[in-house]
Amino acid sequence: DQQVKQNSPSLSVQEGRISILNCDYTNSMFDYFLWYKKYPAEGPTFLISISSIKDKNEDGRFTVFLNKSAKHLSLHIVPSQPGDSAVYFCAASGNYGGATNKLIFGTGTLLAVQP
Amino acid sequence: DVKVTQSSRYLVKRTGEKVFLECVQDMDHENMFWYRQDPGLGLRLIYFSYDVKMKEKGDIPEGYSVSREKKERFSLILESASTNQTSMYLCASSFDSYGYTFGSGTRLTVV
Repeated sequence: DQQVKQNSPSLSVQEGRISILNCDYTNSMFDYFLWYKKYPAEGPTFLISISSIKDKNEDGRFTVFLNKSAKHLSLHIVPSQPGDSAVYFCAASGNYGGATNKLIFGTGTLLAVQP
Repeated sequence: DVKVTQSSRYLVKRTGEKVFLECVQDMDHENMFWYRQDPGLGLRLIYFSYDVKMKEKGDIPEGYSVSREKKERFSLILESASTNQTSMYLCASSFDSYGYTFGSGTRLTVV
């Protein structure tokens, strides 16, 4: 039962263009969402997050949008740079009857930014 | 600079061996986690711990156990390694639900 889904395993974009990574979730009890970035042979690093009381959060080139009614969030990277090439994981957290302190991760999307 | 340190970057073990993966954090975090990462499956939670000597099963605990005798250290134990446990293992710690810090990972190969 995959509660957080990233349906695109990979994405390729040109340098300077916009990258849009998508994530869907099924549990309406999730109230906080995060994006992590992972390079090969390294651990994931936190990128950006959004609370369910907001619909947008921006940090430099990175913007996360949340559509609660659709249970969908997206990460926009503008402009994309070759150093952005990595695997991006969407994650969700909330008080959903189990432990409150664990994140549920999606399957990841491999972003390749072509020079 | 805060850190989560995993003792080994690469390990090769034989089927049936008992394997210990060690993780140490220097942030005084209450919560620690073990995940495995596999292609197409993302990060899956194996076990986590809220406090010393406390542990809870994650989504895929079968074949694994954990130990947390000290706040800073969380060990993952493969009781009898099998080839389907070949994976990237990631340790993380957090103060709350939202800020996980991950280690660099251990690439385990079971032959």
